Formats: sequence, C-alpha cells, structure tokens
Amino acid sequence: GQQLNQSPQSMFIQEGEDVSMNCTSSSIFNTWLWYKQDPGEGPVLLIALYKAGELTSNGRLTAQFGITRKDSFLNISASIPSDVGIYFCAGPEAGANNLFFGTGTRLTVIP
Amino acid sequence: EAQVTQNPRYLITVTGKKLTVTCSQNMNHEYMSWYRQDPGLGLRQIYYSMNVEVTDKGDVPEGYKVSRKEKRNFPLILESPSPNQTSLYFCASSSRVDRASYNSPLHFGNGTRLTVT
Repeated sequence: GQQLNQSPQSMFIQEGEDVSMNCTSSSIFNTWLWYKQDPGEGPVLLIALYKAGELTSNGRLTAQFGITRKDSFLNISASIPSDVGIYFCAGPEAGANNLFFGTGTRLTVIP
Repeated sequence: EAQVTQNPRYLITVTGKKLTVTCSQNMNHEYMSWYRQDPGLGLRQIYYSMNVEVTDKGDVPEGYKVSRKEKRNFPLILESPSPNQTSLYFCASSSRVDRASYNSPLHFGNGTRLTVT
C-alpha cells in the first residue's frame, strides 16, 4: 500500500516556538489532509489541501501542498500547551477510495 | 450530538477467543472505515465500506472481518485474535468519499485499545 512518511517522528519544543513538520509520499497525491490526535481521542481534521502549491491557514496553523504533489508541510506558529498531540498527514491514493495516513509526528510543548 | 461510538474502550482477551468491536455513527454517513494505530506506523486502514452491504479491504485486512448490514453500524470482528493484533483501533465515518475532493472530513471514534495475550 501507499507509504506516507512524516518527519520528524517526535518534537519537544518550548511554548511560544514555531513548529514545522512534513510528509512525503512515494507517489503523487491530488489531496493532502492534516489531522491532529489529542491524547486519548481520535484524530480530527485540521486542514485540507486540493491543489499543488496551495497554502492554507487555520488559525496558527498553515499547511502547504508541495509543488511536486508528493509532499506537504504543516507549520504551527507560537505554540501553546494545547498543541500537544500527534499530527498525521493523510491522502487518498490516486484512483482509490481509501485514505492513507502518515506515520505521525508527536509534538510535546514544554510550558 | 454527532458522533462515532466505539465499544468497548478497552479489551483484554486471550489468543483465539473470537471478539467483536462495535462501531455506530448517528450522522447518516455512507462511508465507514476501521484503522489500527501502532507506534511508528501511524494509522493503517483495515477495511472500509462505501455503503450498506459494500465493503473493501484496506491496507492490513488479514485476520479481520467486517459487515455493513445497516448504515449506522460497522462492527469489526476478530475470529481468532493473535498477539500481533494488540493495537489501538479506530472507527471513522464520513458523508462521502469522493475521488475528486475530500472536503467531507472523517469523524473518528475515541478508540478501542485491544490487548491479546
């Protein structure tokens, strides 16, 4: 199946710092999604991207659809303690109906 | 309240003892799916269903069965659980899964942590 690799695997940052993470795939995607999983809960959709080069914001979060269509990036500005969780990229394999998720980036924010 | 409900939240069982994890959604969603989450591997899709009586294998279907007799329910069945099926399981649903766009987000349940000894 499709392999989505996320980097870094985990991050420890000070409150107030900016965060960057990325996701790469072995094939072209037409849609990129970013989900966040709070501890003890299921993932929740943060941002959806539909076009190569697209840059979309949701509050302090900004995500970009890579030009090559094989990668995507998520930035969080001025991190706060409630940003703690696991961030997943996801996307549908071209021509398929199922959604693949990345390996996740675990974020810890130190107050 | 719109939600996806999984039961149980925690389950400890022994190898070979059949079990069912239930999943129910109250949003009249057509699409439902099961994932397992393992450290370092992210979420991997087990099975999904586009509508009633329509199910398809995901990435890791071996050792699992599903059924979709009604729109709201999508149970996950482990006929003969093994220790390598110890994992955190998530059920999810969406109003549609369209090849052109994914602007209908997946709604996830709160997970079922399964331990098979």
